[in-house]
Amino acid sequence: QQQVRQSPQSLTVWEGETAILNCSYEDSTFDYFPWYHQFPGESPALLIAIRPVSNKKEDGRFTIFFNKREKKFSLHIADSQPGDSATYFCAASNSGGSNYKLTFGKGTLLTVTP
Amino acid sequence: EAAVTQSPRSKVAVTGGKVTLSCHQTNNHDYMYWYRQDTGHGLRLIHYSYVADSTEKGDIPDGYKASRPSQENFSLILELASLSQTAVYFCASSGNLGPSAETLYFGSGTRLTVL
Repeated sequence: QQQVRQSPQSLTVWEGETAILNCSYEDSTFDYFPWYHQFPGESPALLIAIRPVSNKKEDGRFTIFFNKREKKFSLHIADSQPGDSATYFCAASNSGGSNYKLTFGKGTLLTVTP
Repeated sequence: EAAVTQSPRSKVAVTGGKVTLSCHQTNNHDYMYWYRQDTGHGLRLIHYSYVADSTEKGDIPDGYKASRPSQENFSLILELASLSQTAVYFCASSGNLGPSAETLYFGSGTRLTVL
């Protein structure tokens, strides 16, 4: 059972456009939603994260939008740059009973074309 | 910045052979994890540990064992390697609040090929 679904599998945008990456989850006890990015040949690294006390989290050009009712959250990358080309993973966890576990989506391969 | 070191960086193993992947962290972190990454599957948790001398099963533990002899070291053991275990393996660590509150720091990965 896949608890975190991510779409699209791949996405190509032009430089300067806003890239939108989507995730949905099933477990209503999840309360922590990070996004990790992974550049080719490198390891994943935390990009930005949100807790559902807020519907929005911004960090520069990166914004998470969170919809608790629909169990969805998305990453918006404004003014996309070629250097943003990477694989992006959403994830979710429950800070209660399953505190050890961060469940990842399958990833979105983002390509930003100059 | 947190430092997680994996060895070897790559390895070729034969089917049925034993493989040990090693991970060392110098961050004084309590939590350590082993993930495998396959194209189309994202990152899947194999084993994890939150204290030395104790390991726990993750989502896909079959065919793998883990060992945490000290806070700094965490090994993944494939007793009888199989073709299906060809993948990139990542070790990660996080602080004592766990992954729900603290950043996961990943090692550079080990590319394992089983022939």
